[in-house]
Amino acid sequence: DVKVTQSSRYLVKRTGEKVFLECVQDMDHENMFWYRQDPGLGLRLIYFSYDVKMKEKGDIPEGYSVSREKKERFSLILESASTNQTSMYLCASNEGMSNQPQHFGDGTRLSIL
Amino acid sequence: GQSLEQPSEVTAVEGAIVQINCTYQTSGFYGLSWYQQHDGGAPTFLSYNALDGLEETGRFSSFLSRSDSYGYLLLQELQMKDSASYFCAVRGKAAGNKLTFGGGTRVLVKP
Repeated sequence: DVKVTQSSRYLVKRTGEKVFLECVQDMDHENMFWYRQDPGLGLRLIYFSYDVKMKEKGDIPEGYSVSREKKERFSLILESASTNQTSMYLCASNEGMSNQPQHFGDGTRLSIL
Repeated sequence: GQSLEQPSEVTAVEGAIVQINCTYQTSGFYGLSWYQQHDGGAPTFLSYNALDGLEETGRFSSFLSRSDSYGYLLLQELQMKDSASYFCAVRGKAAGNKLTFGGGTRVLVKP
């Protein structure tokens, strides 16, 4: 089975801090994604990556950046955390250009105080 | 851009049938996916339709009409464990197999 592991289940940070969310997948998938999930809004794509050192902006990239130095690891960075970034963050991965399903991690519930 | 609409909540009793509709607007379309998410859990893949018609997988079926920009997920013989949120998602014509998700439909199954 595909395993997508997010480093923290719950995280509490303060406004202005730099926050790192880590995601690791064990299936050698080309594509990795970061979403945030808020009630009634579904999953909104922040950034995605289709190869090492490659990244593409999703629908809501403002206030975020990403890093993909190794194929299995995709990091989401909140440069200066703000309270409106309090949310559930989900990482996903899948194989390259195909209809293959995305496999999700269990999520990180991030609270910015 | 892409947008999807689905009902916010549906309630039904065990053994019943529930249909969750999804309408979408997209500038490029490859297919429509459905994901299930239990409270506190990760979304998990249920089905994918690229062509018109009905795809059946056990108690769940998914339908697509490309000409109507419409699809639905059919949950039959409802069980308590089917209580979850269900998301439709459109696969667009962009690098990396990008998905755009709807807001989700919360299904509550009552005894």
